[in-house]
Amino acid sequence: DGGITQSPKYLFRKEGQNVTLSCEQNLNHDAMYWYRQDPGQGLRLIYYSQIVNDFQKGDIAEGYSVSREKKESFPLTVTSAQKNPTAFYLCASSPTGYEQYFGPGTRLTVT
Amino acid sequence: LAKTTQPISMDSYEGQEVNITCSHNNIATNDYITWYQQFPSQGPRFIIQGYKTKVTNEVASLFIPADRKSSTLSLPRVSLSDTAVYYCLVEADDKIIFGKGTRLHILP
Repeated sequence: DGGITQSPKYLFRKEGQNVTLSCEQNLNHDAMYWYRQDPGQGLRLIYYSQIVNDFQKGDIAEGYSVSREKKESFPLTVTSAQKNPTAFYLCASSPTGYEQYFGPGTRLTVT
Repeated sequence: LAKTTQPISMDSYEGQEVNITCSHNNIATNDYITWYQQFPSQGPRFIIQGYKTKVTNEVASLFIPADRKSSTLSLPRVSLSDTAVYYCLVEADDKIIFGKGTRLHILP
């Protein structure tokens, strides 16, 4: 059963703690992406990776870090340097860079 | 990347055809036009993509005039379940920019 998964669906953290969001895909896609979505807003690109062991910053990379050690996995770490981390985080993958397939999202709440 | 402009919100009734227009005046020669649909608390879902003229699939049609400076997503005979946010994107070079989209509300 192919797809893209994110875990957990809901995540709660205390301010000052780093937290890592998981994203896994078994679609054999080369490209993977992380987006952030705030209420009533569109998606904003955090990081993207077009190939294993390589990734680029998106529009709002400050306070976030990623790794791409395996084709299937693209975890996102929200660091304590991110000033407003509470948001809905979406991971996507793509075979071509045009049509993206999205995961179900992780809703992160930091208090 | 080309910027897109689309209405913030639209209302329609069940059974009607809905047309959402997006303008992309600065579209580049190699840009494709793609539409996504997003329900609350879910990731966006690909609807349709086109380069020019008309594209149709089982969900929607996409109309693109010759100058490609705009596009229209057409949803035939909408139902309540089509209530969602619809994003128009112009894509190139493996990078996508999502705007705020059009919030479509279908009324019974």
